[in-house]
Amino acid sequence: KQEVTQIPAALSVPEGENLVLNCSFTDSAIYNLQWFRQDPGKGLTSLLLIQSSQREQTSGRLNASLDKSSGRSTLYIAASQPGDSATYLCAVRPVGTSYDKVIFGPGTSLSVIP
Amino acid sequence: DGGITQSPKYLFRKEGQNVTLSCEQNLNHDAMYWYRQDPGQGLRLIYYSQIVNDFQKGDIAEGYSVSREKKESFPLTVTSAQKNPTAFYLCASSIGHQAGTQYFGPGTRLLVL
Repeated sequence: KQEVTQIPAALSVPEGENLVLNCSFTDSAIYNLQWFRQDPGKGLTSLLLIQSSQREQTSGRLNASLDKSSGRSTLYIAASQPGDSATYLCAVRPVGTSYDKVIFGPGTSLSVIP
Repeated sequence: DGGITQSPKYLFRKEGQNVTLSCEQNLNHDAMYWYRQDPGQGLRLIYYSQIVNDFQKGDIAEGYSVSREKKESFPLTVTSAQKNPTAFYLCASSIGHQAGTQYFGPGTRLLVL
């Protein structure tokens, strides 16, 4: 059974720091992995999607990597800003389902201190 | 503007009462989903629908019901059988047919009086 975990559960950093969020999954048979951002009391916004054949994706100050064989992904945020404060969730699409099934991790709550 | 809307933003339920959460999308997506989110946990799938007039149970369907009479709409009813309904409920949609990412609505927070 696919399980997704994220460490740490919460992270607090001063503004300007570079930081890394971690995501682990137990079954490497996935179509893709996606990182989402969730602001308090809001829905999810997709940040980056990495297909299983890819190693990384970049968007602005965000870079996500995928090591499928080891079941790991990282989200790197460069030069963090207070506006980056949110919960970040990773999610995998497992192979072998009849619909767009997605399994989510519990999220990492990030606080960037001015 | 294309997107997913959910209403209401906050909903209060009295004991023994059924309540219905609305989800509408104008993205022309075939597939729609309902998730429940509790503090410190990931999203858990309640129901999903791949096409009009068809829907399937997810991982935590007990105490919930849905309908899919129109492509644009996928309402969720929280019945009195759901003993712990307090949570944040998120609706999502995707192109379907294993082709697409999911797009999320803004969510509804359900509280019990």
